[in-house]
Amino acid sequence: DSGVTQTPKHLITATGQRVTLRCSPRSGDLSVYWYQQSLDQGLQFLIQYYNGEERAKGNILERFSAQQFPDLHSELNLSSLELGDSALYFCASSASGTSGTDEQFFGPGTRLTVL
Amino acid sequence: GNSVTQMEGPVTLSEEAFLTINCTYTATGYPSLFWYVQYPGEGLQLLLKATKADDKGSNKGFEATYRKETTSFHLEKGSVQVSDSAVYFCALSKYQAGTALIFGKGTTLSVSS
Repeated sequence: DSGVTQTPKHLITATGQRVTLRCSPRSGDLSVYWYQQSLDQGLQFLIQYYNGEERAKGNILERFSAQQFPDLHSELNLSSLELGDSALYFCASSASGTSGTDEQFFGPGTRLTVL
Repeated sequence: GNSVTQMEGPVTLSEEAFLTINCTYTATGYPSLFWYVQYPGEGLQLLLKATKADDKGSNKGFEATYRKETTSFHLEKGSVQVSDSAVYFCALSKYQAGTALIFGKGTTLSVSS
């Protein structure tokens, strides 16, 4: 158990809909990362938050957004969903997010299926 | 830009065989290098890491050495077990505006008894 929790575990929805994925980092970790894992694209970094502020953006679509709340949990919002958004979405956390040597601890993931 | 290239899988071995999974990277400066493992149905777990040239990371019998001259971080294990069956990801992190991991495509290892 990494200490990172993600809900829900599975999500099935239709094209055009909007969903929210939730992540609670390990106790004390200030940084939260979101990654998307799909068969064709592999594991891709979406976005990082550090202590409530956006720190870095990766290959995140404009239809996607995220935020980190004062209690440090994070939500990833996916809107106008398309079939190609079906993937496993991982959240990870790290102690600081200001050092490239920090270990990132991954949650179990949310599997999103868009029908 | 920064990138990681891993050998294509799947890799199929018998128990107690020697394992090598090749990983090379492209990055300016001095990234940190990681191997993560993903067991079926689970999230990723850090297996080992190295933060500077010539460092050797090791854990659970796995080893990898940070080779700057060949920009490589190959994963090795002398004697694999059935329980090592998983997907292995090589990754790099280079702090600039953030510390996100850049992953290779992953290599599936299947070990049979």
